[in-house]
Amino acid sequence: DSGVTQTPKHLITATGQRVTLRCSPRSGDLSVYWYQQSLDQGLQFLIQYYNGEERAKGNILERFSAQQFPDLHSELNLSSLELGDSALYFCASSPHQGGTEAFFGQGTRLTVV
Amino acid sequence: QKEVEQDPGPLSVPEGAIVSLNCTYSNSAFQYFMWYRQYSRKGPELLMYTYSSGNKEDGRFTAQVDKSSKYISLFIRDSQPSDSATYLCAMWETSGSRLTFGEGTQLTVNP
Repeated sequence: DSGVTQTPKHLITATGQRVTLRCSPRSGDLSVYWYQQSLDQGLQFLIQYYNGEERAKGNILERFSAQQFPDLHSELNLSSLELGDSALYFCASSPHQGGTEAFFGQGTRLTVV
Repeated sequence: QKEVEQDPGPLSVPEGAIVSLNCTYSNSAFQYFMWYRQYSRKGPELLMYTYSSGNKEDGRFTAQVDKSSKYISLFIRDSQPSDSATYLCAMWETSGSRLTFGEGTQLTVNP
């Protein structure tokens, strides 16, 4: 158990809908990262938050947004969902801004039908 | 060209074999190198973390970095069926804010 908790584990929703994925980082970790893993692609970096502030953006679509709350948990919001958004979404956390020792949660498997 | 290249395999070896997994990269700014293990699309698990060139050993695992060749390796000695998983290399540049992953090598260790 990495100590990073993601909910829900599985999510099935229809195209056009909006969902929220939640991540609780390891105790004491200030950085949260979101990654997307599709069947035909590796882990793609989406966004990083450090102590409540956005630090870096990767290949995150405009339909996606995230935030990190004062208690350091983070949420990833996905809207106007398309079939191609079906993927595993992972959250990772690390103690500092650098992600060299990032620990991953078990992921949320999103299926868009 | 991708920043990190990793042969996706699959790689199949008999139990007890020495396994060599490799990645090449093009970004000279990468300074930190990690190996993750991922079982059946579960959360990736950090195995090894090295800084710059050199070797690091942890039990049956040895991570090797050759910055001059932009090449990193993970060696698994006395491989076990429980080592069957996808192995992902990952890299971090000191001025950056993201881990850049290889696509992963799928390994099967046969009893």
